[in-house]
Amino acid sequence: EAGVVQSPRYKIIEKKQPVAFWCNPISGHNTLYWYRQNLGQGPELLIRYENEEAVDDSQLPKDRFSAERLKGVDSTLKIQPAELGDSAVYLCASSLTRVDYGYTFGSGTRLTVV
Amino acid sequence: AQSVTQPDIHITVSEGASLELRCNYSYGATPYLFWYVQSPGQGLQLLLKYFSGDTLVQGIKGFEAEFKRSQSSFNLRKPSVHWSDAAEYFCAVGVYNQGGKLIFGQGTELSVKP
Repeated sequence: EAGVVQSPRYKIIEKKQPVAFWCNPISGHNTLYWYRQNLGQGPELLIRYENEEAVDDSQLPKDRFSAERLKGVDSTLKIQPAELGDSAVYLCASSLTRVDYGYTFGSGTRLTVV
Repeated sequence: AQSVTQPDIHITVSEGASLELRCNYSYGATPYLFWYVQSPGQGLQLLLKYFSGDTLVQGIKGFEAEFKRSQSSFNLRKPSVHWSDAAEYFCAVGVYNQGGKLIFGQGTELSVKP
């Protein structure tokens, strides 16, 4: 079974530029998460999807961040415009259901804003 | 509010020595507890999880953890460390009634010396 696939693995952009991250969850997993991991910190939840519906986006900075999950499968996280403080690793995870704790993470996208 | 504390930012042990990584949590009810490992440039891999029942939990790669309610702790142990265990270790608590949301500690970096 393929794991959670994220792309790109690395991205370097200048501040004020837009950037997008893509996530393909494990087949059949209804719940999808985006976490942000700052350097030296544990991951923090940005948004959670149940199928195509964003059910918890309370930690998502909505002025510059947006996300979508078309057809309840792949998901895209976008930042526009990026700021220096957005440099972090963005992790995607998926689970079969919303109560299936201990889920699978992708390898992440490391974003550097210069 | 729920929180997780990992008191040790960095630990160094000799190969073959025993290991204990500390984790303390703050949670109002019986917690769901997890340990993840993250190798450089990789996503998080689940080592073990505790939901209920036996307070000593066995995981992958020879790791185990013990839930102690009286101490609000969930320490990770391994009897004999291998050089390949060098990585970042994260303790997390699952937030009930918020889907599969995990709250992570800051992590403990493990170095293994020959």
